[in-house]
Amino acid sequence: KAGVTQTPRYLIKTRGQQVTLSCSPISGHRSVSWYQQTPGQGLQFLFEYFSETQRNKGNFPGRFSGRQFSNSRSEMNVSTLELGDSALYLCASSFESRVRDTQYFGPGTRLTVL
Amino acid sequence: AQSVSQHNHHVILSEAASLELGCNYSYGGTVNLFWYVQYPGQHLQLLLKYFSGDPLVKGIKGFEAEFIKSKFSFNLRKPSVQWSDTAEYFCAVNPGGSYIPTFGRGTSLIVHP
Repeated sequence: KAGVTQTPRYLIKTRGQQVTLSCSPISGHRSVSWYQQTPGQGLQFLFEYFSETQRNKGNFPGRFSGRQFSNSRSEMNVSTLELGDSALYLCASSFESRVRDTQYFGPGTRLTVL
Repeated sequence: AQSVSQHNHHVILSEAASLELGCNYSYGGTVNLFWYVQYPGQHLQLLLKYFSGDPLVKGIKGFEAEFIKSKFSFNLRKPSVQWSDTAEYFCAVNPGGSYIPTFGRGTSLIVHP
């Protein structure tokens, strides 16, 4: 089975721009979660989508949004980029939307905001 | 707010040494506990998890962790490390029925051959 894939792997944007990141889950997985990883704050949960619905949301501003398509692929959007949004964005998929389901992580998208 | 502490930020060991990485959390109720590992150049992956039952949990690659409720701890152990265990290790806690995990800041382990 192919693992979780994320595109693009690297992005450079400038302040004020917006960006869209994509995540393709493992085949058959219906839950997709997004995380932000920074040296200062560590790994933080952004949100989780299951069956095209946002089921869980972390403590991030509304500039961070996402969606999930009927094939379970997910996109994350960040509008009005700030320097502090520079981070590694990780996507993880699991079979269902249950805490006890193992999450499988992708390689991440490295976003640099200049 | 809940917090997860990994007190050892950097650990350097020689092969065959024993390993124990600390993880403490602040939530007082029922918790689900995880250890993840990120090998150099690889994806973050689950090492082991605890939900209920036997507090001693065995994971992949010879790792185990012990949940001590009275100490709010979930320490990771391995009796004899190998060079291939060089990686970043993260502890994560989900309080009660919450889906949202809180991660520790990670521990960087370097094992010298």
